[in-house]
Amino acid sequence: NAGVTQTPKFRILKIGQSMTLQCTQDMNHNYMYWYRQDPGMGLKLIYYSVGAGITDKGEVPNGYNVSRSTTEDFPLRLELAAPSQTSVYFCASRGRGTGELFFGEGSRLTVL
Amino acid sequence: AQKVTQAQTEISVVEKEDVTLDCVYETRDTTYYLFWYKQPPSGELVFLIRRNSFDEQNEISGRYSWNFQKSTSSFNFTITASQVVDSAVYFCALLASGNTPLVFGKGTRLSVIA
Repeated sequence: NAGVTQTPKFRILKIGQSMTLQCTQDMNHNYMYWYRQDPGMGLKLIYYSVGAGITDKGEVPNGYNVSRSTTEDFPLRLELAAPSQTSVYFCASRGRGTGELFFGEGSRLTVL
Repeated sequence: AQKVTQAQTEISVVEKEDVTLDCVYETRDTTYYLFWYKQPPSGELVFLIRRNSFDEQNEISGRYSWNFQKSTSSFNFTITASQVVDSAVYFCALLASGNTPLVFGKGTRLSVIA
């Protein structure tokens, strides 16, 4: 069972570069989320989606974009990377009604 | 608005001691779910328990137990006879009804010292 798969696991970016963090789930979940976790801190919601074609901002959306063209995929785009975006990014999904959030293993991004 | 408060930022205990992690939540919804997740030093997030708002029965799973009290809006987590492997950050979370996303507390870092 693959569950939630995130790629890449590690990435180093230079200031001003752009990249996309990929997230795929194979559980046919409607809800998908992107969180970031700064060192020693909790989880902050960046964006979320309640279904294909629908996305919404979370607590810290600035500097990011998302799309949800399919149920399975929820990529997170970083435009013009900044050192403040150095963090671990977690993608998660849940099915309707079950509540439990399934997390990917995380993507560690460093912006230098 | 939904809110989860974990007032304890860090706790340190000696192995075999019991420890309780506090979680207080706020919501106006009558239907909601509460969760605990564990994040060990390796970094992944591990689901521990889910409780819905209509089930106030306490739950025990091995050395872990959870006390849900709607009267005080609390969902506390107790580890009995703590072990070094319990060292981790523990997050409490709230999912209200509808499409609102899960709201996490800021986490409690537990260190169990041998």
